Amino acid sequence: DQQVKQNSPSLSVQEGRISILNCDYTNSMFDYFLWYKKYPAEGPTFLISISSIKDKNEDGRFTVFLNKSAKHLSLHIVPSQPGDSAVYFCAASVNFGNEKLTFGTGTRLTIIP
Amino acid sequence: NAGVTQTPKFQVLKTGQSMTLQCAQDMNHNSMYWYRQDPGMGLRLIYYSASEGTTDKGEVPNGYNVSRLNKREFSLRLESAAPSQTSVYFCASSGRTGGVRETQYFGPGTRLLVL
Repeated sequence: DQQVKQNSPSLSVQEGRISILNCDYTNSMFDYFLWYKKYPAEGPTFLISISSIKDKNEDGRFTVFLNKSAKHLSLHIVPSQPGDSAVYFCAASVNFGNEKLTFGTGTRLTIIP
Repeated sequence: NAGVTQTPKFQVLKTGQSMTLQCAQDMNHNSMYWYRQDPGMGLRLIYYSASEGTTDKGEVPNGYNVSRLNKREFSLRLESAAPSQTSVYFCASSGRTGGVRETQYFGPGTRLLVL
C-alpha cells in the first residue's frame, strides 16, 4: 500500500525552463510534506517543506504547492539548471512532525543543457 | 562537523552471515533512523530511535535489530543475512531547534549485497 506516490519515474527538461515534479498521497492524516534531492552515491538532502496549513511555500528557485482536497503536491523549479539533475523524493508525516517519514518512489529529473 | 557518517560504505555477505552497520552523528540530535532504499520502492523506515535508550519499529523491521549505543551512535544488525536484504541502507538524524523539529539529515549510505 503505497501511501505516497510519484507516478513519473523520470522527467527531462530543457535548461532554463520550469521543472514540475508531482506527488500524490492517500493518507488524510498526513499534515507535513517534504521534498528531498538525491545525487548518485550520496544520501538524500532536504530541499523544501510545507505544512498543511499552507498551500504554497517558496525558497529561491523552488516552490512547493499543496492541494489538500486533491491530496496532491508539486515541486516547481524555475529556472531549471544542470545541477538540478538528481532524483527527487516526496515525503510525508503526521502531527506536523519530522519522524517516521513516508517516502515516495522518487522521480529522476534530467536537465538538458 | 562531519554530520552523519556510516561504515562500511560497501559490504558483500553470504546468506546466513551476520553484520552490523554503524552510524554516528555529531550534531547532538536526539532522533536517529535507519532506512533501506530499493529500486522502485523509495526509502522505507526500518527502525528509529526518538532518544537515547529508546527504539521503535518502522515499516520494515523484520530481520533487523538496532542498538542506540549512546546519543551519537545508532547501529543496525543483520543476524542472518538473506538475499532480500540486498539494498542501500541510509542512516539519518534529526533534532529540535527552539522546540521545532528539524529536518532529517542523511548519511552517505551503505551498499549491501547478500549472495
